[in-house]
Amino acid sequence: AQKVTQAQTEISVVEKEDVTLDCVYETRDTTYYLFWYKQPPSGELVFLIRRNSFDEQNEISGRYSWNFQKSTSSFNFTITASQVVDSAVYFCALSEFRDSSYKLIFGSGTRLLVRP
Amino acid sequence: NAGVTQTPKFRVLKTGQSMTLLCAQDMNHEYMYWYRQDPGMGLRLIHYSVGEGTTAKGEVPDGYNVSRLKKQNFLLGLESAAPSQTSVYFCATQKMGLRTFHYEQYFGPGTRLTVT
Repeated sequence: AQKVTQAQTEISVVEKEDVTLDCVYETRDTTYYLFWYKQPPSGELVFLIRRNSFDEQNEISGRYSWNFQKSTSSFNFTITASQVVDSAVYFCALSEFRDSSYKLIFGSGTRLLVRP
Repeated sequence: NAGVTQTPKFRVLKTGQSMTLLCAQDMNHEYMYWYRQDPGMGLRLIHYSVGEGTTAKGEVPDGYNVSRLKKQNFLLGLESAAPSQTSVYFCATQKMGLRTFHYEQYFGPGTRLTVT
């Protein structure tokens, strides 16, 4: 069955620390996509990154980086030199094309608290 | 461009009352989705639509109905509200891609519903 697991319910760090949010997924498809979304305290969901199952290159965007490893079915997210504004709930999600539509399966989220 | 809007933002219902949540988009996206977000459970798909006039059930459809009479609007109805439907409801849209390319979903700001 398709599933996304974010085992870390809550993480608390002090500003400027590096932090890694884990994401492990299960799927029977060979073509799929993985996403990360950020949900700040204001409540909206903000798209951060998309990665397809055929591209295992790591990606870096400023202080954010993502490590995709198909061998371990993981798509981890690292924030370098964390800042208070990074405090949010972060969701990892798996996208599959099924029944003529895209289905996004979310993990339960990791709440990140960055303390000054 | 307003993107994805949801009406209302907040609502309190008594058990047994009915209501309709409205999602409107101005991005001309084919796919639209309704999710509910409950603490510790991520987002779960209620219903979705692959185009005007079509709807389908998601993971947790019981107690909800939907309609998509116009491409830009997706309505979620609760015929007889129950306390278990207390949640935050998110609407999302997605551009049609290919089976081998999945676009990200764009989310509305959410509707916080309390059923007493």
